[in-house]
Amino acid sequence: DFQVTQSPSTLSASVGDRVTITCRASQSISSWVAWYQQKPGKAPKLLIYKASSLESGVPSRFSGSGSGTEFSLTISSLQPDDFATYYCQQYNNYSGTFGQGTKVEIK
Amino acid sequence: QVQLVESGGGVVQPGRSLRLSCAASGFTFSIYAMHWVRQAPGGGLEWLTLISYDGLNKYYADSVKGRFTVSRDNSKNTLYLQMNSLRAEDTAVYYCTRGGYDHGFDFWGQGTLVTVSS
Repeated sequence: DFQVTQSPSTLSASVGDRVTITCRASQSISSWVAWYQQKPGKAPKLLIYKASSLESGVPSRFSGSGSGTEFSLTISSLQPDDFATYYCQQYNNYSGTFGQGTKVEIK
Repeated sequence: QVQLVESGGGVVQPGRSLRLSCAASGFTFSIYAMHWVRQAPGGGLEWLTLISYDGLNKYYADSVKGRFTVSRDNSKNTLYLQMNSLRAEDTAVYYCTRGGYDHGFDFWGQGTLVTVSS
């Protein structure tokens, strides 16, 4: 079965830190990878699509990169509003497998 | 503005059925694929099903294949999820989302909670 593995599961960081979350696929995939932010009790919010394209309205401190089987989300300077859970997703025309999520906590 | 509003959630006994609806507005519903995604309490996101813009193509996760059926009525701008033979492990918040071809899932509803319990 196709799997998407996200790491770390939890990340403790301070305001101003640069943080990176990694997503690995069990087999080489297209660059149709997305990253979402979710806050408690709210629906997920799209941040990045096609591995590195920034969704409209999303701050430029968020960036995505990667290809093949390894992708990453980087927040260049963590802000108080960024403490949340982040999910990667590999999507295509017939499915949309999510990673397990990374909770970014205040250090 | 784009809005997706789910309804139909509630408490249901194991083995029973439930139908969720998702009312779409603010965009041309009939040209977009749509998805259902769920999230168990304290858990991660799980993709469930995709329906093409015209309703002709449907895909399901193994966890719900044969029990859940997705459909849409483009004349009513509404997406549906028929859930049969419900199990305790189907307890979750269910979200409908818009799939924008290569754009990821760009808009989400607020979710509706389904609790399967006797």
